[in-house]
Amino acid sequence: DTEVTQTPKHLVMGMTNKKSLKCEQHMGHRAMYWYKQKAKKPPELMFVYSYEKLSINESVPSRFSPECPNSSLLNLHLHALQPEDSALYLCASSQEAGLTGNTIYFGEGSWLTVV
Amino acid sequence: EDQVTQSPEALRLQEGESSSLNCSYTVSGLRGLFWYRQDPGKGPEFLFTLYSAGEEKEKERLKATLTKKESFLHITAPKPEDSATYLCAGGNNAGNMLTFGGGTRLMVKP
Repeated sequence: DTEVTQTPKHLVMGMTNKKSLKCEQHMGHRAMYWYKQKAKKPPELMFVYSYEKLSINESVPSRFSPECPNSSLLNLHLHALQPEDSALYLCASSQEAGLTGNTIYFGEGSWLTVV
Repeated sequence: EDQVTQSPEALRLQEGESSSLNCSYTVSGLRGLFWYRQDPGKGPEFLFTLYSAGEEKEKERLKATLTKKESFLHITAPKPEDSATYLCAGGNNAGNMLTFGGGTRLMVKP
């Protein structure tokens, strides 16, 4: 069983809504990630947090806003999304960011549908 | 630019029919070649990490191997429950960022 927990598992939102995806890990990892995955495609990196600070933003539109309240929690705030943003959003964590060979562990994902 | 290519894109096997999945990579300063299994609608599940050419790792019916240019995931006597998409990813020396291949969708028929 994955030790990265994501909620909600499914989310349907309108283009004018504001919603949030939540992620929690209790492995003591200091790096947390958001990935986006479209159907039949590999995961694409969106954001990396290292020691609760944003270290990488892969040119993600501002309608996606990440937040790391503490070392165990990661949120993704969603606002004014487009239908093409519908995808599986994956949270992940690893012991450190920037250390070679660290294994990245993924959560089960949150299915987002924008209508 | 780092690149990871998986082949075939899809593979159909009969139960018990062994085969191999290929992952070719060009990753600057490779710091780990990772294999994941992903079931439909779920997040990737970690399988193996390989660090150096010649390394091998096994788990049940799966065995991963690594050369300087590619990695193989060998599946011995597969069962229908092995059906999934298998992803490989290279971690580079720029800081543990993963470059994923496109995945191989494996279907094992009883």
